[in-house]
Amino acid sequence: SAVISQKPSRDICQRGTSLTIQCQVDSQVTMMFWYRQQPGQSLTLIATANQGSEATYESGFVIDKFPISRPNLTFSTLTVSNMSPEDSSIYLCSGANNEQFFGPGTRLTVL
Amino acid sequence: QKEVEQNSGPLSVPEGAIASLNCTYSDRGSQSFFWYRQYSGKSPELIMSIYSNGDKEDGRFTAQLNKASQYVSLLIRDSQPSDSATYLCAVAGGYQKVTFGIGTKLQVIP
Repeated sequence: SAVISQKPSRDICQRGTSLTIQCQVDSQVTMMFWYRQQPGQSLTLIATANQGSEATYESGFVIDKFPISRPNLTFSTLTVSNMSPEDSSIYLCSGANNEQFFGPGTRLTVL
Repeated sequence: QKEVEQNSGPLSVPEGAIASLNCTYSDRGSQSFFWYRQYSGKSPELIMSIYSNGDKEDGRFTAQLNKASQYVSLLIRDSQPSDSATYLCAVAGGYQKVTFGIGTKLQVIP
């Protein structure tokens, strides 16, 4: 299984600012994904990070709010832009070849 | 819209008993089925994957798949307090894109 790390592990941000979350996989993976998980709820897929091309966003998520990069097969970033308190959540990246493995998550609090 | 249904629980079982976790899914074209365990404050951890009808056993865990009934289950034998967690059922079609259920909270009572 792949080992996935995320930075930062947590952050407290002011309304209107942006935060970039980094995701690093220790081996090449075919697919990378970004999820959001609200307390007590299941995972919501934000987008599929495509290597060398624009990410594929799920309904309700847009590139202007959640720009994503994936420059190679082991690294991706998610930016949460112009944050509001409603963006407070845990953000998880995952990598997959056949099975999907998750990073430890980034706990974001927006004041 | 693809859906994965789970009872949110909590499911309480005594230590040493068998815990049975169930999941149904709506997309008949689903090809891959997973169970993840998530401890409070941690990220999901893959514990079982199953791709064909029948049973798959790994230690104390058995995953069961019935594609005709669109039903997946996870049995945990000899349940331990350390098994107390939320168990997420996940179903995938192509391209590893996975739909997660809400998760069942399991409590193993010592």
